[in-house]
Amino acid sequence: NAGVTQTPKFQVLKTGQSMTLQCAQDMNHEYMSWYRQDPGMGLRLIHYSVGAGITDQGEVPNGYNVSRSTTEDFPLRLLSAAPSQTSVYFCASRGSQETQYFGPGTRLLVL
Amino acid sequence: EDQVTQSPEALRLQEGESSSLNCSYTVSGLRGLFWYRQDPGKGPEFLFTLYSAGEEKEKERLKATLTKKESFLHITAPKPEDSATYLCAVYTDKLIFGTGTRLQVFP
Repeated sequence: NAGVTQTPKFQVLKTGQSMTLQCAQDMNHEYMSWYRQDPGMGLRLIHYSVGAGITDQGEVPNGYNVSRSTTEDFPLRLLSAAPSQTSVYFCASRGSQETQYFGPGTRLLVL
Repeated sequence: EDQVTQSPEALRLQEGESSSLNCSYTVSGLRGLFWYRQDPGKGPEFLFTLYSAGEEKEKERLKATLTKKESFLHITAPKPEDSATYLCAVYTDKLIFGTGTRLQVFP
């Protein structure tokens, strides 16, 4: 099992560019989520999904879109990147227990 | 408002010097408390889940305990490889993370 995988590991964008952060899991988990981690702040929930075809907003959803067409994949789209979106992004998945398993992260720098 | 506070923010220990990390919380309807370890440049790695006051879990040099207001992560005779940031999170109808304790263990 690869667990939760994320690509790319690192990305630099210019303000206004768009991109998609990829996330995949091979544990057949229904629940998947995206977090951002910033210095001095706890992990904050951006969007989550309780199953294929179902998504919902978390604490900080503005500027991000998600979709869930399959159980395995949960991509995060930045529509028009802003410097405030410079952060480390983590994807996580969860099975029937509440324990969430995290991917290795994507470091995003928006200039 | 639900809140999770971890202390201290940073902790420096000599190898073998035992200590405790604190996670205090103010939430309604606690369904579980989680401890994670995060190494630089990596994602959080699951350590423990605690569900009710009085519960304890152990793994190698780590022991997590839970009361109605806080959780402690006790580190016994730490080694340099225990150096990491330790994150606490509480689960109500959502997962709320603390900001972490950065632990450095020196030989």
